[in-house]
Amino acid sequence: DGGITQSPKYLFRKEGQNVTLSCEQNLNHDAMYWYRQDPGQGLRLIYYSQIVNDFQKGDIAEGYSVSREKKESFPLTVTSAQKNPTAFYLCASRMRQDRGLNQPQHFGDGTRLSIL
Amino acid sequence: AQKITQTQPGMFVQEKEAVTLDCTYDTSDPSYGLFWYKQPSSGEMIFLIYQGSYDQQNATEGRYSLNFQKARKSANLVISASQLGDSAMYFCAMRMYNTDKLIFGTGTRLQVFP
Repeated sequence: DGGITQSPKYLFRKEGQNVTLSCEQNLNHDAMYWYRQDPGQGLRLIYYSQIVNDFQKGDIAEGYSVSREKKESFPLTVTSAQKNPTAFYLCASRMRQDRGLNQPQHFGDGTRLSIL
Repeated sequence: AQKITQTQPGMFVQEKEAVTLDCTYDTSDPSYGLFWYKQPSSGEMIFLIYQGSYDQQNATEGRYSLNFQKARKSANLVISASQLGDSAMYFCAMRMYNTDKLIFGTGTRLQVFP
């Protein structure tokens, strides 16, 4: 089945540690996104990528980094510079913008990150 | 600046009844799309329905319909014949034509009771 796979489902980070969240899609989508969700809040965009080897900062990029070396993969690293990383992280993908405004973003099941 | 407002933090509805979840938006861009997503307690975001700013008809998808009032800048989601499985968070989101960003509201928690 086509879809978006995020791993791990739960992740714990120690102080001063970098951690990487995985996001893989087999939908042949061009664009990929990372969102952060805090309790009782909507989603906020961290980074997005419309094509391989290119990505843009979203609204809350500080303390995060990404790479897009393959179309299928868009890993997110939460660095030690992110002082409040505890949140639910969602990855999404979509057909490219020029294929229509109505193309929805499709989401993975999320990774819940906590600080030890 | 573009913004989505969902003023109902929580809603209750009895099984088999209809419920309306409110969404208002703010943009000066004439070309935009509006989306509704469902987030069950397990966390995944499920796309429900889409409405384009130039669409003449209100969108419908099964038990979901969108009450689109462009002049009032509202895009309310109507769920007919509610089921227990409809209990979840519901998010309204908007994207402008010239960007690739989705702007989300803060969501409404719907609880369906027997």
